[in-house]
Amino acid sequence: QKEVEQNSGPLSVPEGAIASLNCTYSDRGSQSFFWYRQYSGKSPELIMSIYSNGDKEDGRFTAQLNKASQYVSLLIRDSQPSDSATYLCAVNIITGTYKYIFGTGTRLKVLA
Amino acid sequence: DGGITQSPKYLFRKEGQNVTLSCEQNLNHDAMYWYRQDPGQGLRLIYYSQIVNDFQKGDIAEGYSVSREKKESFPLTVTSAQKNPTAFYLCASSIRAGANVLTFGAGSRLTVL
Repeated sequence: QKEVEQNSGPLSVPEGAIASLNCTYSDRGSQSFFWYRQYSGKSPELIMSIYSNGDKEDGRFTAQLNKASQYVSLLIRDSQPSDSATYLCAVNIITGTYKYIFGTGTRLKVLA
Repeated sequence: DGGITQSPKYLFRKEGQNVTLSCEQNLNHDAMYWYRQDPGQGLRLIYYSQIVNDFQKGDIAEGYSVSREKKESFPLTVTSAQKNPTAFYLCASSIRAGANVLTFGAGSRLTVL
């Protein structure tokens, strides 16, 4: 079982719709969770970080964390063509080593 | 502005050659990381360093070496022992190892001819 799993997509949504991206993780001791956006050929940039159960909103983005079910999700409201990118889920595993585990990413396409 | 500078942006290597990728940060971060990304793949950790003069192997350290002689600098050497080095290499840093957000450099794309 992969430590952090994401559907590779592509996930296609029309402009203005809500895009829902999901991520599951295997280590129950994980403490910190992050969503990064990566445009083709570029480096990842942070979209959201979340540390406790529940929802966290920042503009058009909402991160949701459920530690009991071991999943974290990212909702993008009013999706724009500029949101078309790969979204990487990252989990910080603090079990003997201080390192982050990245999922393989979900490619999002927002159709104009 | 603070940030992470990686150089070179593009690098071509002949088989059997060692190459060194530079990573410099002026964010005053303690922790630094090297990741490798292959097409359609997530990021895989090569090495990380929590403080100066200390570093640990990540998941795919074979064929790579690093040093951390200064807080600002964490160079990565891709040796001839790395069998498939063609990839996108990303350097990152965080305030401290473990709980904080990663800030990434722009990346270095290495191609073996």
